[in-house]
Amino acid sequence: GAGVSQSPSNKVTEKGKDVELRCDPISGHTALYWYRQSLGQGLEFLIYFQGNSAPDKSGLPSDRFSAERTGGSVSTLTIQRTQQEDSAVYLCASSATAGNTIYFGEGSWLTVV
Amino acid sequence: AQKVTQAQTEISVVEKEDVTLDCVYETRDTTYYLFWYKQPPSGELVFLIRRNSFDEQNEISGRYSWNFQKSTSSFNFTITASQVVDSAVYFCALSDKDSGYALNFGKGTSLLVTP
Repeated sequence: GAGVSQSPSNKVTEKGKDVELRCDPISGHTALYWYRQSLGQGLEFLIYFQGNSAPDKSGLPSDRFSAERTGGSVSTLTIQRTQQEDSAVYLCASSATAGNTIYFGEGSWLTVV
Repeated sequence: AQKVTQAQTEISVVEKEDVTLDCVYETRDTTYYLFWYKQPPSGELVFLIRRNSFDEQNEISGRYSWNFQKSTSSFNFTITASQVVDSAVYFCALSDKDSGYALNFGKGTSLLVTP
């Protein structure tokens, strides 16, 4: 597609359930990023994939969070045993390669009730 | 460690006023990239500009202009003749090798332009 595509746009889940958020980067982009933005807060880096290199997981807030990128394209962010503090917008972004302009998707709004 | 500071939390101006959003950064790398993004009320992050550390030329794009000064580690953003549609949160960000080129964002400046 023309831009970064994320799904679902909105997700309401019960506390304790697992959720999966999907990101389809811009075609040909080798770098993929996940960020989180809580209500009224700034942008928090979660994880970064560059090509076939091991991902930079330094921003993941707990071991309940994980992400994978299959075939160097689509990425899935998984949150296990969701907590209310996980409620946020999860933003995916991609760039042609490291250091290039980073373009963001519209985000997945997650609400944990 | 890298850091981006946007000291202005909120700015309110009347339409047609000029407004400057400040951004100060810290990095140990000599090669780095600076960005500005706009986040309107609808929520999406819109890319505005990317500047590399070796290019200190100021840039103008329509009513937008950017002033990059390595001597003061600043990358300020000016909107000339502001319009109501400029109301948004503006984020300054830095990427460098130390961060694996992931973006490190400032906390954002919320700009409100009133008629």
